[in-house]
Amino acid sequence: DSGVTQTPKHLITATGQRVTLRCSPRSGDLSVYWYQQSLDQGLQFLIQYYNGEERAKGNILERFSAQQFPDLHSELNLSSLELGDSALYFCASTLGVSSDTQYFGPGTRLTVL
Amino acid sequence: GNSVTQMEGPVTLSEEAFLTINCTYTATGYPSLFWYVQYPGEGLQLLLKATKADDKGSNKGFEATYRKETTSFHLEKGSVQVSDSAVYFCALSVRNSGNTPLVFGKGTRLSVIA
Repeated sequence: DSGVTQTPKHLITATGQRVTLRCSPRSGDLSVYWYQQSLDQGLQFLIQYYNGEERAKGNILERFSAQQFPDLHSELNLSSLELGDSALYFCASTLGVSSDTQYFGPGTRLTVL
Repeated sequence: GNSVTQMEGPVTLSEEAFLTINCTYTATGYPSLFWYVQYPGEGLQLLLKATKADDKGSNKGFEATYRKETTSFHLEKGSVQVSDSAVYFCALSVRNSGNTPLVFGKGTRLSVIA
């Protein structure tokens, strides 16, 4: 158990809908990363937050957004969902903004029908 | 840019066989290197890491040595078990203005048969 929690574990929704994925980092960790794992693209970095502020962006679509709250949990919002958004979404956390070891949550499996 | 290339799977081995999964990288800075493992239906677990040249990471019988001259970080285990069946990901991170998102290889699926 990494100490990172993600909810929900599974999510099934329809095209065009909007969903929110939630991540709670390990106790004391200030930095949160979001990754997408799909069959065709593999594991891709989406976005990083540190202590409430966005720090880095990767291959995140404009339809996706994220935020980190004062209690340090983070939410990833996916809107206008398409079939191709079906994937596993992982959250990872680290202590500092430049700590190199990331601890991953169990993931949320999103299925868009 | 930064990238990781690892051998394509699937790899199928008999129990107690020797395992090597090749991983090479390209990085614009001085990366830290990682191996993560994903067991069926689970998230990613850090298996081992190395942060500078010639460092050897090791855990649960797995080893990998950071080779700067060949830009490689090959994963090895002397005797695999059925419980090692999983997908293995090589990854790197480079400190760039304090941001260190991981760059992953495509993963290598290992199946160990009894």
